[in-house]
Amino acid sequence: DIQMTQSPSSLSASIGDRVTITCRASQTIRDYLNWYQQQPGKAPKLLISAASTLESGVPSRFSGSGYGTDFTLSINNLQPADFAVYYCQHSDSTHNYNFGQGTKLEIK
Amino acid sequence: EVQLVQSGTEVKKPGESLNISCKASGYSFTDNYWLMWVRQMPGKGLEWMGIIYPDDSDTRYNPSFQGQVTMSADKSINTAYLHWSSLQASDTAVYFCARRRSGWYPSFDFWGQGTLVYVSS
Repeated sequence: DIQMTQSPSSLSASIGDRVTITCRASQTIRDYLNWYQQQPGKAPKLLISAASTLESGVPSRFSGSGYGTDFTLSINNLQPADFAVYYCQHSDSTHNYNFGQGTKLEIK
Repeated sequence: EVQLVQSGTEVKKPGESLNISCKASGYSFTDNYWLMWVRQMPGKGLEWMGIIYPDDSDTRYNPSFQGQVTMSADKSINTAYLHWSSLQASDTAVYFCARRRSGWYPSFDFWGQGTLVYVSS
C-alpha cells in the first residue's frame, strides 16, 4: 500500500507570501497525484491533477510539480481565500486513492 | 450542472443501522463514472473508504473499511448509498461522496456537501 506523507502539517504565512507544501509517496507513483483544498465545513475542491495540471477556474497563483515520489504545491501571492487545509492524493488505475494527512495553512 | 446531493445529518445510537445517500444529477450516472466515499472524522483528515461503479455496482473497498460498511447504487434513481449494519461511536464523522472523472486519469472533480453522522448512546 502506497503511503502519502505531507509536510509541514501546518504552516503560517502572510497575505502576499509564497508558500510550498510537499507531498512524498512511499514508492514511485509517476504523476498520479492530485491536490485538493478544503475550507472549514466544506467539501474538498480539486485544484491540480496529474501532479501539475491546473483545474479550470483555479487561480494561476497555484502550481504543482513533481514526478515519481516527490511533489510540491506552491501558492504565490497568498490571498485570504487561500487559508485552508490542503491534501495530496495518490490515485491510480488499481483503485488506490490514499490521501496525505493534510497541511493546514494559517494566516500569520 | 453536475451536482452530488447527499442526505442530511443523522443522529444514531450504537448498534443501529444506517443508510446515507448521494444523489447525482447533471451527468449520465452510469456512463464511465465511479463514485467514491470518503470519511472525515472530527478534526482529522480525509480517508477513502471505497469506490463503486453504478452501472454494474462493481465495488472496491479500502482494506481498512472492508467489512465495516457496504456500498451500493440504484441507477434507476441516480443514487449511491453507504450502509452500516451496526454503528459504533467511532463511526462519528462527516462522509463525502465524490465523482471520479471519466477518462484515463483518476481524479475527483465533483463532491457532495457531506453528511454528518453522529453516533452516541
